[in-house]
Amino acid sequence: KNQVEQSPQSLIILEGKNCTLQCNYTVSPFSNLRWYKQDTGRGPVSLTIMTFSENTKSNGRYTATLDADTKQSSLHITASQLSDSASYICVVSRSPYGGSQGNLIFGKGTKLSVKP
Amino acid sequence: DAGVTQSPTHLIKTRGQHVTLRCSPISGHKSVSWYQQVLGQGPQFIFQYYEKEERGRGNFPDRFSARQFPNYSSELNVNALLLGDSALYLCASSLTGTSNQPQHFGDGTRLSIL
Repeated sequence: KNQVEQSPQSLIILEGKNCTLQCNYTVSPFSNLRWYKQDTGRGPVSLTIMTFSENTKSNGRYTATLDADTKQSSLHITASQLSDSASYICVVSRSPYGGSQGNLIFGKGTKLSVKP
Repeated sequence: DAGVTQSPTHLIKTRGQHVTLRCSPISGHKSVSWYQQVLGQGPQFIFQYYEKEERGRGNFPDRFSARQFPNYSSELNVNALLLGDSALYLCASSLTGTSNQPQHFGDGTRLSIL
């Protein structure tokens, strides 16, 4: 079954600290993996997209890693800020040949709270 | 340039009513997808349209329908509303709609069923 599992479900950290969010998937065939940030009451915003051949991609203080062999990804946030408080959603695309957006498998997200 | 815009932002309906949600994609984007997001869960795929044709459909009942207009905007219709339809409905657009294309989401319509 095509699934995307994220951990932890929720996380509380102090401002300025680093944190790492995990994503494990069983999606096949694999096309790409995306991380989105979703502020409360807003739509998801793309942070990174990685294909099979990419194992690291950065976007400012956000760094995503991908291990396609173990089917694991992580999102590392450096020097957290209050504005990083949001849900972070991992999405895996299961078709390497294009196909519809119905081939995107969404995780349930990790809710991050950054406290002053 | 404007991003994906959705209307209305909030809506309150009662059971049995119907609702129409609207979405305008980013200029130049020809594909629109609709998602339902229940609190605490990831988005669930409902429909995708590309060039006014349905390209994909998720596991939702026939009470859900959608269409895309010649200007690429889209409507999502839900009939005979149930309490369980309460959710954030997201619209996303992309250039050609293939699963290797980046998607851009709107801020959604928050639908509450009483």
